[in-house]
Amino acid sequence: DTEVTQTPKHLVMGMTNKKSLKCEQHMGHRAMYWYKQKAKKPPELMFVYSYEKLSINESVPSRFSPECPNSSLLNLHLHALQPEDSALYLCASTRQVGDTEAFFGQGTRLTVV
Amino acid sequence: AQKVTQAQTEISVVEKEDVTLDCVYETRDTTYYLFWYKQPPSGELVFLIRRNSFDEQNEISGRYSWNFQKSTSSFNFTITASQVVDSAVYFCALSETGRGSQGNLIFGKGTKLSVKP
Repeated sequence: DTEVTQTPKHLVMGMTNKKSLKCEQHMGHRAMYWYKQKAKKPPELMFVYSYEKLSINESVPSRFSPECPNSSLLNLHLHALQPEDSALYLCASTRQVGDTEAFFGQGTRLTVV
Repeated sequence: AQKVTQAQTEISVVEKEDVTLDCVYETRDTTYYLFWYKQPPSGELVFLIRRNSFDEQNEISGRYSWNFQKSTSSFNFTITASQVVDSAVYFCALSETGRGSQGNLIFGKGTKLSVKP
């Protein structure tokens, strides 16, 4: 199983809503990543988790709150988002931080209205 | 500073033509990895190749080939006899491996390839 599964695939939310994105992998990887990709732009790193601990937060606003409840699961909790937060959110995993073969999920396409 | 430049924003070719996607990178590290990813309209990033900085041997995989030249800091990607299914955005990326590296990828801006029948 070399899959990273992200749910939902599409999400439309209002600016006052609270929602969560989910990412799951069963490859035994201990590093997981959230990237944000705006239309026609490359992915940009948001967060890195290593052994379930947050190791990098790339100055992401607090309306994005990551969580890694176990080694297979990575969540991104969303609250009070702005329309400019609309993007494709990609999750990736590697065996461990510094290992370079990253596996990406299909992404969640988020629209904030 | 680390940087990946893909100067070609969009390329359009007719099926069966060969096409080369350019990638130029900047890094201060002597040890690093270079990647190419394909992103079809469905959104997922599909891994195509990884190259480490010590291996300049060119690689061929079916219709795909890669030319890594450290002297010019380039890692170009050629698709031979392109097909409509090759239409996608292609990203070149860099990952450093030195102390403190978190293994995250630094992407170029991508090249959108359209292959017309």
